[in-house]
This record gives sequence, C-alpha cells and structure tokens, in this order.
Amino acid sequence: AQRVTQPEKLLSVFKGAPVELKCNYSYSGSPELFWYVQYSRQRLQLLLRHISRESIKGFTADLNKGETSFHLKKPFAQEEDSAMYYCALYGAQKLVFGQGTRLTINP
Amino acid sequence: DTAVSQTPKYLVTQMGNDKSIKCEQNLGHDTMYWYKQDSKKFLKIMFSYNNKELIINETVPNRFSPKSPDKAHLNLHINSLELGDSAVYFCASSGYTGELFFGEGSRLTVL
Repeated sequence: AQRVTQPEKLLSVFKGAPVELKCNYSYSGSPELFWYVQYSRQRLQLLLRHISRESIKGFTADLNKGETSFHLKKPFAQEEDSAMYYCALYGAQKLVFGQGTRLTINP
Repeated sequence: DTAVSQTPKYLVTQMGNDKSIKCEQNLGHDTMYWYKQDSKKFLKIMFSYNNKELIINETVPNRFSPKSPDKAHLNLHINSLELGDSAVYFCASSGYTGELFFGEGSRLTVL
C-alpha cells in the first residue's frame, strides 16, 4: 500500500524567505507524485506534478527516489502563497494524500 | 461553468438520519471519486468509479453507498448517520492526464 507523509502540519515563514514543504512517500511501484494546493475559500487544485518538471508560481519539486522524497520549494515566499498544501501519490488506481501542511507567510 | 459541482454545500442533520450528496462533472471524465476530509484536514479516498463501475472501495462502512447513474454523476448516500460521519466530503473527477478536479466540498454536520 502506498503512504505519503508530510511531517509538518504547520509552517510559518516571513515574506521573501525560502520555503520548503517536506513530503516523503512509500510505494513498491513506480510513483507518480503531485502537489495540490487549497487557497482560502477555493477548491483543491493541482499545483504541480513530478513528471512535468516545471515551475508553477515559483514552486518546484524534485523527486528523489533514493530518499523517497518529493519536497516542495520556493526561493522567495509571497503572502499569496499562504494555503494548505497536500502531497499526493498516484498508484494502484488511486490518489493518496499526505496529511497536509498549512503554510502561512507573514508580512 | 463549474467543472465539478456538488450539492448541498452544507448539511446539518440528526444522528440516525439518511442523507445524500450529489456530484456532477461536465469535463467528460471517465473517473469520479469521493474523498472525506476530517477535522484535521486529512483527505482520505472513499470510492472511485470508472465509467459507472466501482473501482475502489476503501473499507468504507456499508452505510455509505455510492451510485453512478452515468459517468458524469456520482452520488453518495449515507444511512443511519453517526457523529463520526461529520466531515467535509469532496467529489473529484479525472481524465487521461490523471489530474484530479475537485468540487467545492459538502460540509456534513451530524448532531
């Protein structure tokens, strides 16, 4: 069975500071990993996926199979980045989410 | 146009009652899902359907019965509601890209 772990429930950083949201996974097969984001009063939406290897809103995430990690990073946080972030793994016909990290960017 | 819509957005009911939540998607996706988000914001998959066929049932109590009359709709009926059923229920759909599109959620409160 697949499992996704986000060790930080809450993360608070100052505007302009670097951000890293941690995600570790366990899965016996070849993983497909995603980051989803839920802004205040908006629906959950895809932020990025590892296979596209692109930067969205300044965020990047690299799949590290050796460390079974898919951490989300942004060099300079902005206030509009405040949201709930979920790491997710697709395998065995289902998308399994981590527990989520609430990111707060302080002015 | 709303891609994935679910109704009602809010539902308050007494223990022991039966209630339904409806979900519709206009994206032409083959796969639809129900997720439960608990008070700690943890999102757990409950069911998935592909073209009206049940694919995933994540050991959900059989008081929960999903129904998919066609591939654009996936409804969730809950019998004999319990306090622990209080949560936000999210419907989602996906197509060939695998990206999930979510509804706004239905907040169920059982008193």
